[in-house]
Amino acid sequence: GQSLEQPSEVTAVEGAIVQINCTYQTSGFYGLSWYQQHDGGAPTFLSYNALDGLEETGRFSSFLSRSDSYGYLLLQELQMKDSASYFCAVSAGSYQLTFGKGTKLSVIP
Amino acid sequence: SAVISQKPSRDICQRGTSLTIQCQVDSQVTMMFWYRQQPGQSLTLIATANQGSEATYESGFVIDKFPISRPNLTFSTLTVSNMSPEDSSIYLCSVGTGVGNEQYFGPGTRLTVT
Repeated sequence: GQSLEQPSEVTAVEGAIVQINCTYQTSGFYGLSWYQQHDGGAPTFLSYNALDGLEETGRFSSFLSRSDSYGYLLLQELQMKDSASYFCAVSAGSYQLTFGKGTKLSVIP
Repeated sequence: SAVISQKPSRDICQRGTSLTIQCQVDSQVTMMFWYRQQPGQSLTLIATANQGSEATYESGFVIDKFPISRPNLTFSTLTVSNMSPEDSSIYLCSVGTGVGNEQYFGPGTRLTVT
């Protein structure tokens, strides 16, 4: 089976940088994804890492270390609208996803 | 990208009844999935809806409780049968793009069982 660990809550100041970590255990691994979900909304895809290293998309970056079974999501220049829950997810094949429990990010002025 | 709609958006149902949730996609997709999410909790995959064959269920979910139909590449239904208050949750459908782990999610159906 698969299991993922990520912090339950993070608070950061507007304009700052925040890193949300995710460690995983899985019997098979194809890649690590990150999703954002605002309260009452649907999850939306942010990023995907299949290989080691950093992927950058605007203010968001995601990192993966396959040897450490570890990844993180980095959010820069935080804005109030970034307040949401962030989920890491792994796939072990056939595109089915197993999600972590989510990290609730609160951005404060 | 894909635009996904779900019906109903919310419902309140009595114990012992069944509810069928519809998921419509604006384009043909191969991969379609059904998830459950308790408010403030993670998403749990219920099953993969396969077009033309039986759905593939995850551990802990069975066809008698959650029958799924997938008559074509743009539509699927999930039925929550013989409901109990423990079935109160948000049910989401999603579609896979085939690119990495990217999935698009519908807006969800908020179900309350009394």
